[in-house]
Amino acid sequence: EAGVTQFPSHSVIEKGQTVTLRCDPISGHDNLYWYRRVMGKEIKFLLHFVKESKQDESGMPNNRFLAERTGGTYSTLKVQPAELEDSGVYFCASSHRGPARDTQYFGPGTRLTVL
Amino acid sequence: ELKVEQNPLFLSMQEGKNYTIYCNYSTTSDRLYWYRQDPGKSLESLFVLLSNGAVKQEGRLMASLDTKARLSTLHITAAVHDLSATYFCAENYGGSQGNLIFGKGTKLSVKP
Repeated sequence: EAGVTQFPSHSVIEKGQTVTLRCDPISGHDNLYWYRRVMGKEIKFLLHFVKESKQDESGMPNNRFLAERTGGTYSTLKVQPAELEDSGVYFCASSHRGPARDTQYFGPGTRLTVL
Repeated sequence: ELKVEQNPLFLSMQEGKNYTIYCNYSTTSDRLYWYRQDPGKSLESLFVLLSNGAVKQEGRLMASLDTKARLSTLHITAAVHDLSATYFCAENYGGSQGNLIFGKGTKLSVKP
């Protein structure tokens, strides 16, 4: 079974540009989560999809971040316009349908550098 | 503020030695996770601890949970180089949210 995949693995952009990160969850997983780790800090929750619906987006830092999950499959996280403080590693995770608290399986992350 | 405190944050051990990583959390969570991350790789689930007094073991790693003390421990027995990685504990904040609250991680380096 394929794991959670993320694309790209690295992205370097200039301040003010737009970047779109993609996450493909494990097939059949209804729950999809985005997290972010800024250098030296904890991994922080951003948002949670159940299928195509946003269940919880309380961790989204501001309206420069837009997440979508088309058809309840893959998800994208767009940052527009990017700021220096957006640099970090963005992780995606998915978990099986059922209780939302099942084990979350993580992707390898996308390392975003904003210059 | 919901918080998970891990210590130590850095741990350099010699092969063959034992050590414990501590994880204190702030809520009345009944579910605690331990993950391992190798550089550039995914977070790999190690243990899910579901109730007070839960103890799980896998190879040289043993995790326990004390919900009354809001403390989980990850004990390493006779460390080997292959255990070098960053270890995260995370609590699952209850209700329907399902989002994880992570500690900062413990970077473990096992030296020969």
